[in-house]
Amino acid sequence: NAGVMQNPRHLVRRRGQEARLRCSPMKGHSHVYWYRQLPEEGLKFMVYLQKENIIDESGMPKERFSAEFPKEGPSILRIQQVVRGDSAAYFCASSIRPMGYTFGSGTRLTVV
Amino acid sequence: GQQVMQIPQYQHVQEGEDFTTYCNSSTTLSNIQWYKQRPGGHPVFLIQLVKSGEVKKQKRLTFQFGEAKKNSSLHITATQTTDVGTYFCAGPMDTGNQFYFGTGTSLTVIP
Repeated sequence: NAGVMQNPRHLVRRRGQEARLRCSPMKGHSHVYWYRQLPEEGLKFMVYLQKENIIDESGMPKERFSAEFPKEGPSILRIQQVVRGDSAAYFCASSIRPMGYTFGSGTRLTVV
Repeated sequence: GQQVMQIPQYQHVQEGEDFTTYCNSSTTLSNIQWYKQRPGGHPVFLIQLVKSGEVKKQKRLTFQFGEAKKNSSLHITATQTTDVGTYFCAGPMDTGNQFYFGTGTSLTVIP
């Protein structure tokens, strides 16, 4: 039973390019969460999705960031026109309540 | 807004010494979770506490939830080098299934 799968593990983008981060939740999990972690900092909530629905996007920056969890396929976190400040580790997690999150290995985004 | 603070931010201990990290919430929590993140790794779920005053143990780790359900602690007895990492507490956000993570305590164990 594979865990939460994230790809790519590492992503390098030039300023102004687009970054697409993928997350496949654990089998049977229908809740997906995205968190961002800046170097030496904690985890900041970005967005919570269920299949085809955004439940809470209160942690998402208003511009350039979007997320989806289609009926088929992985959840996608998309960052348009990346800037250096977007460099961070992006973690996806899935869960079945009331258990805790299962996190993926993360995508380390570096903007050069 | 909701805040979950942890102290200390960093802790260095000699191997074999005990370690405690404290988590404090500005609001009452229905439950609290603890996670461990190794350097370069991802957070791993350790435990969830639900009841007021609850104490749970996992080998050398003891987790406690305060009576008022606004604070929690994680105590490690006789630390080992394998305990190195950052320990986060997390409380549920007002809005539902999402969790708000504390600031974390980074533990270094000196052999």
